[in-house]
Amino acid sequence: QKEVEQNSGPLSVPEGAIASLNCTYSDRGSQSFFWYRQYSGKSPELIMSIYSNGDKEDGRFTAQLNKASQYVSLLIRDSQPSDSATYLCAVFGYLYGGSQGNLIFGKGTKLSVKP
Amino acid sequence: ETGVTQTPRHLVMGMTNKKSLKCEQHLGHNAMYWYKQSAKKPLELMFVYNFKEQTENNSVPSRFSPECPNSSHLFLHLHTLQPEDSALYLCASSGTENQPQHFGDGTRLSIL
Repeated sequence: QKEVEQNSGPLSVPEGAIASLNCTYSDRGSQSFFWYRQYSGKSPELIMSIYSNGDKEDGRFTAQLNKASQYVSLLIRDSQPSDSATYLCAVFGYLYGGSQGNLIFGKGTKLSVKP
Repeated sequence: ETGVTQTPRHLVMGMTNKKSLKCEQHLGHNAMYWYKQSAKKPLELMFVYNFKEQTENNSVPSRFSPECPNSSHLFLHLHTLQPEDSALYLCASSGTENQPQHFGDGTRLSIL
């Protein structure tokens, strides 16, 4: 079974610091990677997509992908209390080795930004 | 209009009731999904529809019955549910299967 692993946290950082969220995945053939943010009681919201090795920056967010190490990360610069949420890593893969691909989600990392 | 709309937002039902969850997307997407999210568990994919055809049924009990009349609408029919079925049910859509999925606000379901 294909898996996506994340540290459940909670990860606590002070306001203004860099928050680093990590994710590993087992399907070496995966090509599409996504980060979602989910506030308590709300639905997941897409914040970053990354498809190629290297870094992709969008405002205070940077996604990093290393396919050789099967590792994807999300950096949040100048963290704000409003960034406090659970961050879900999602990888497009083939569940159970079948021919129909789907997003496979990790359990999420809970981030707490302290004022 | 928000991209993906789910109704109702909250639902309380007894184990013998029959109810339906509705999802509508206004994004012109071709794929729609049902997920279950329980506390402290990852999102569980339940059903996938691609161009109105069901392409995935992730070993979901038959008390959950999906329906996709067109590319914009998705239903989840519920009957004789169990207490462990209490969860947040999320609908999502994407352009194609490997593109980002956009979620609705979900239906919080409680089974008495």
